[in-house]
Amino acid sequence: SSELTQDPAVSVALGQTVRITCQGESLRKYYASWYQQKPGQAPVLVIYGKNNRPSGVPDRFSASSSGNTVSLTITGAQAEDEADYYCCSRDNNDYHYVFGSGTKVSVL
Amino acid sequence: QVQLVESGGGLVKPGGSLRLSCAASGFTLTDYYMTWIRQAPGKGLEWISYIKSGDETIFSADSLKGRFTISRDSVKNSVFLHMNSLRVEDTAVYYCARVVDFWNYFYFDFWGPGTLVTVSS
Repeated sequence: SSELTQDPAVSVALGQTVRITCQGESLRKYYASWYQQKPGQAPVLVIYGKNNRPSGVPDRFSASSSGNTVSLTITGAQAEDEADYYCCSRDNNDYHYVFGSGTKVSVL
Repeated sequence: QVQLVESGGGLVKPGGSLRLSCAASGFTLTDYYMTWIRQAPGKGLEWISYIKSGDETIFSADSLKGRFTISRDSVKNSVFLHMNSLRVEDTAVYYCARVVDFWNYFYFDFWGPGTLVTVSS
């Protein structure tokens, strides 16, 4: 099965830009979706497809991809963006889903 | 509005069984894939299984070795997770989520609040 690799933690100054990456071979074929999870809460979808945001998600969240890496960028990070972020895509057998290991974003 | 609510979690002994339920409202269950995802304490998200709309084809994570089975009841508009041979390492919050799947991309657009399963003697 496939793995999706994320950096364990990143930090960003308030109002600055942070990029969270997710690497995996299946990402050459499939887009990822991204989820934000705050302590004690269920995950929330923030990005899906090439670069689509559900209604209600601020436009400071965006996605991009290159080769086997997809990225979630927060432009002008706010205090409320401090959370864990997970990517998700298919694994190499095409029918299974797989999550990345998660990235903890701290806003300083 | 779309709502998912899990139930059925609790304390169970190793080797025991449990059935989790996910009650859906605000949409027709059979129009969507539905999935279960879990999160062990302090750990990341782990995909468990999904059931397709229409033909109800099921796919499950290899790591579960067939111990967990997803099912659906269209009359009750509910999805279930049948868990057997439970192990201490199955202790986790279990989430159900609605899936939108277009093959080259998919996403989980609505999640329930989760139900805690604790496996301990």
